[in-house]
Amino acid sequence: GENVEQHPSTLSVQEGDSAVIKCTYSDSASNYFPWYKQELGKGPQLIIDIRSNVGEKKDQRIAVTLNKTAKHFSLHITETQPEDSAVYFCAVEYGNKLVFGAGTILRVKS
Amino acid sequence: EAQVTQNPRYLITVTGKKLTVTCSQNMNHEYMSWYRQDPGLGLRQIYYSMNVEVTDKGDVPEGYKVSRKEKRNFPLILESPSPNQTSLYFCASSPLGGATDTQYFGPGTRLTVL
Repeated sequence: GENVEQHPSTLSVQEGDSAVIKCTYSDSASNYFPWYKQELGKGPQLIIDIRSNVGEKKDQRIAVTLNKTAKHFSLHITETQPEDSAVYFCAVEYGNKLVFGAGTILRVKS
Repeated sequence: EAQVTQNPRYLITVTGKKLTVTCSQNMNHEYMSWYRQDPGLGLRQIYYSMNVEVTDKGDVPEGYKVSRKEKRNFPLILESPSPNQTSLYFCASSPLGGATDTQYFGPGTRLTVL
């Protein structure tokens, strides 16, 4: 069935350090893998996405890597800042549906 | 301003009292969906709609109904709410790509069923 596992559930890092969040999925036919950031009291917002025809995508301090063979993808945030503190969700497209991971609470300590 | 709006933002109700949460988008998006967010479970899709008059079940459709009579509106209906439907609800819309395109989320509706 459609499944997305996300780890870790919580992550605390010191300001300036890197943070990595990993997701695994079950269906090898999936081709679209977005990451969303949710700040307190708001709806999730897309921060980066990757499609199966590429292995890595970068946007300033954030990057996503995809390993289709192993069916996992990861979010990398470098030089973390206090404003990066939020809940991060990975998601996987399964046909017309989008299935989300359980989320990671990222705390950046200054 | 391009946005997804939901009403109400907060609602406390009692078991069995029918309610509707409205969702509207002004971006002319084809795809709309409803999610519920619960601690430790992330966002789970309730229903989605590929276009007007086309709706389909997500992963947790039991106890919910939707309709898509106009492109901009996608209301969520709870005919007989129960306490296990207490949750934070999000409506989202997406352009032509549907599930493979950016989802634009509304601000959320916090529902409590007593």
